[in-house]
Amino acid sequence: QKEVEQDPGPLSVPEGAIVSLNCTYSNSAFQYFMWYRQYSRKGPELLMYTYSSGNKEDGRFTAQVDKSSKYISLFIRDSQPSDSATYLCAMSDSNYQLIWGAGTKLIIKP
Amino acid sequence: SQTIHQWPATLVQPVGSPLSLECTVEGTSNPNLYWYRQAAGRGLQLLFYSVGIGQISSEVPQNLSASRPQDRQFILSSKKLLLSDSGFYLCAWSTSSNEQFFGPGTRLTVL
Repeated sequence: QKEVEQDPGPLSVPEGAIVSLNCTYSNSAFQYFMWYRQYSRKGPELLMYTYSSGNKEDGRFTAQVDKSSKYISLFIRDSQPSDSATYLCAMSDSNYQLIWGAGTKLIIKP
Repeated sequence: SQTIHQWPATLVQPVGSPLSLECTVEGTSNPNLYWYRQAAGRGLQLLFYSVGIGQISSEVPQNLSASRPQDRQFILSSKKLLLSDSGFYLCAWSTSSNEQFFGPGTRLTVL
């Protein structure tokens, strides 16, 4: 079993829909949770950073962490074609290394 | 503000040839530095990380090596490339927090 599980997709939704992206993990020591967006042939860019449990909102993006279920989510409201990308979750229990999900490819259809 | 550079952007090399990829960071001091490889449609595989000059930790045994000759310079090398070394190589930096920030990447094709 991988430490972090993430459905690779692709996930295809119509423009304007609410998107839900998820990761599950097995290590209860993880405290730091991140979501990255990666466009094709580009480096990943940090979208959301969350410490411990709870919600964090930034514009159309909301990150949720449920440590009791070992489950994290990224919601995208009013999705746009420009949101089409691969979304990677990452998490850590230390300052140096991140454990990565495989990434979910998201396609927003105009 | 901080920026991170990688070069070259793309590289096509024959099997058995040497490799040198360079990464430099601007606008920060004493960063943690990382080399990742990403195979097509796959997640990120950590290859090396460094917490200071001359300090390199290897995560995956292979024919690659890394060096950090200066505080904000990280180099990935190989003496003889294999076909399996093809991929997208990403350099990243972080400071006291866990957030990592990535460069634009180098796409390596070994023929």
